[in-house]
Amino acid sequence: DGGITQSPKYLFRKEGQNVTLSCEQNLNHDAMYWYRQDPGQGLRLIYYSQIVNDFQKGDIAEGYSVSREKKESFPLTVTSAQKNPTAFYLCASSIMGQGVSEQFFGPGTRLTVL
Amino acid sequence: ILNVEQSPQSLHVQEGDSTNFTCSFPSSNFYALHWYRWETAKSPEALFVMTLNGDEKKKGRISATLNTKEGYSYLYIKGSQPEDSATYLCAFVSNTGNQFYFGTGTSLTVIP
Repeated sequence: DGGITQSPKYLFRKEGQNVTLSCEQNLNHDAMYWYRQDPGQGLRLIYYSQIVNDFQKGDIAEGYSVSREKKESFPLTVTSAQKNPTAFYLCASSIMGQGVSEQFFGPGTRLTVL
Repeated sequence: ILNVEQSPQSLHVQEGDSTNFTCSFPSSNFYALHWYRWETAKSPEALFVMTLNGDEKKKGRISATLNTKEGYSYLYIKGSQPEDSATYLCAFVSNTGNQFYFGTGTSLTVIP
């Protein structure tokens, strides 16, 4: 089955620790995205990548980092510099990084900072 | 950061009722408008991509219209069924970039 996987589903982190969220897709999509959801807010873009070895910041990139070494993988690291990391994180991909391409979403990771 | 608003925030309807909700977005620099359905414990799934003023899309009992000049899109569900219960998201894309700007969603509950 083609799709997007995210792991883990739930993640707990102590304050001050970095943590990496996994996102893998086997859809052969060029573009990948990371979003964050907080209560009462829409999905907000953290980072996106349109091709391997290239990525751009979204509106809320501070305190996060990404890499895109392989087409199918786009891990997100939440660093200790992120002031409010507790949130639900969604990864998505699309055939191309164009605004008319629909995005396919993973199941999400809920991160809780203790 | 662009402002995309959806109303109402939540909606409860009886099975068989028809319903509609609104997505409001900037009326300038329009490129595309997406609708997604997000069921509980699942991933958001694309419903429609709309690109032209006056566009109308339909998939079964669900349809959508687009007015780019005034900056709104309506999503209609005819004869709501319990399986339509979900949060419906819209996302605006401007012609200045490829970033999606999502609204906060409309949560629909269809009561059997």
